[in-house]
Amino acid sequence: KAGVTQTPRYLIKTRGQQVTLSCSPISGHRSVSWYQQTPGQGLQFLFEYFSETQRNKGNFPGRFSGRQFSNSRSEMNVSTLELGDSALYLCASSTRGESYGYTFGSGTRLTVV
Amino acid sequence: AQRVTQPEKLLSVFKGAPVELKCNYSYSGSPELFWYVQYSRQRLQLLLRHISRESIKGFTADLNKGETSFHLKKPFAQEEDSAMYYCALSGQGGSEKLVFGKGTKLTVNP
Repeated sequence: KAGVTQTPRYLIKTRGQQVTLSCSPISGHRSVSWYQQTPGQGLQFLFEYFSETQRNKGNFPGRFSGRQFSNSRSEMNVSTLELGDSALYLCASSTRGESYGYTFGSGTRLTVV
Repeated sequence: AQRVTQPEKLLSVFKGAPVELKCNYSYSGSPELFWYVQYSRQRLQLLLRHISRESIKGFTADLNKGETSFHLKKPFAQEEDSAMYYCALSGQGGSEKLVFGKGTKLTVNP
């Protein structure tokens, strides 16, 4: 079966712009989580969606938001981009959000210039 | 506070030597502990979880609640074990976020 698909793979944006990243989970998976990976901070939890509802949120500013659609696909949006938002953004899906069942995508590499 | 500490950013061993990647955690309660691995140009993937008590690719990890540690061990390292290894925890029962350590880059030299 197809894995977790994240698009686009690479993105270059300018400070102040906004960006939308997409994640298509494994078929049948209803939970989607987002993580930010940077060399300095490592992997940090952004938020988790289950059945179109945000169930958990990490310690990120309100510029970071997300949503989930009825087909379980998820998007995350970052507004007013800052240089520090440059990172690899990973999406993970699981059946019901069980942490041991995560399957990660390849990520979207965002560079803010 | 939930925290995972991997004290070694880099670890280098020779093929056939034993390897131990250290992981200490802080959590009020009984967490679930995991090791994730990321091979070069591949996705982050689950290696093992403490509750299943499995040996995957020759790796084992024992949860020591007294020392709040979950070190990953392999008696004889192979070159294909070279990768980034991340220790992570979550609350029991699922539906909780994963808290990751910053990772240890293991290099197994020929």
